[in-house]
Amino acid sequence: GAVVSQHPSWVICKSGTSVKIECRSLDFQATTMFWYRQFPKQSLMLMATSNEGSKATYEQGVEKDKFLINHASLTLSTLTVTSAHPEDSSFYICSARVGGDYEQYFGPGTRLTVT
Amino acid sequence: LAKTTQPISMDSYEGQEVNITCSHNNIATNDYITWYQQFPSQGPRFIIQGYKTKVTNEVASLFIPADRKSSTLSLPRVSLSDTAVYYCLVGQDSSYKLIFGSGTRLLVRP
Repeated sequence: GAVVSQHPSWVICKSGTSVKIECRSLDFQATTMFWYRQFPKQSLMLMATSNEGSKATYEQGVEKDKFLINHASLTLSTLTVTSAHPEDSSFYICSARVGGDYEQYFGPGTRLTVT
Repeated sequence: LAKTTQPISMDSYEGQEVNITCSHNNIATNDYITWYQQFPSQGPRFIIQGYKTKVTNEVASLFIPADRKSSTLSLPRVSLSDTAVYYCLVGQDSSYKLIFGSGTRLLVRP
């Protein structure tokens, strides 16, 4: 149980375009979802916390107008990278938790390459 | 959220026991200690969690001394497939955020 999926698993886009990444909890309802980014050989960096039906809370230094997060249902959160640039190329990972449960379940990640 | 310190990297050989120690001097009374494993180009995977003394599951053991200022993840008889980055995390605030440190890159050699 507790499976989190991400789509797509990898994407290549041109500079200036927008890309949407989906994060789904397949067999449970996630009250909270988190979005991370990870550069090569580095640790995960938390970008934002997303609660169903409310606005996302962004970490300091993360541009909310560039990284749009929507958590429309208890099983789906989306991250849209707007006007992507090569420096946005990274590995984006989401995680989800059930209310009252300490453990977070991570998705497999999405590799974004901006050319 | 308590800050953690881990060795950057460790080397081992197949069949050996590996112990990775994490220092968390500022751990709060309510904080749990959690370890995650991450393979390249994959999301982290939960390994084990504990509060005090010793916790064991089918994958690993977690040893926590009485002062809880450190913890040791023990991987018995590692195999090549245990080559990964291991993260020690301590505590969560009310929003349940996880703050990842630098992790320990474990390389298991044949």
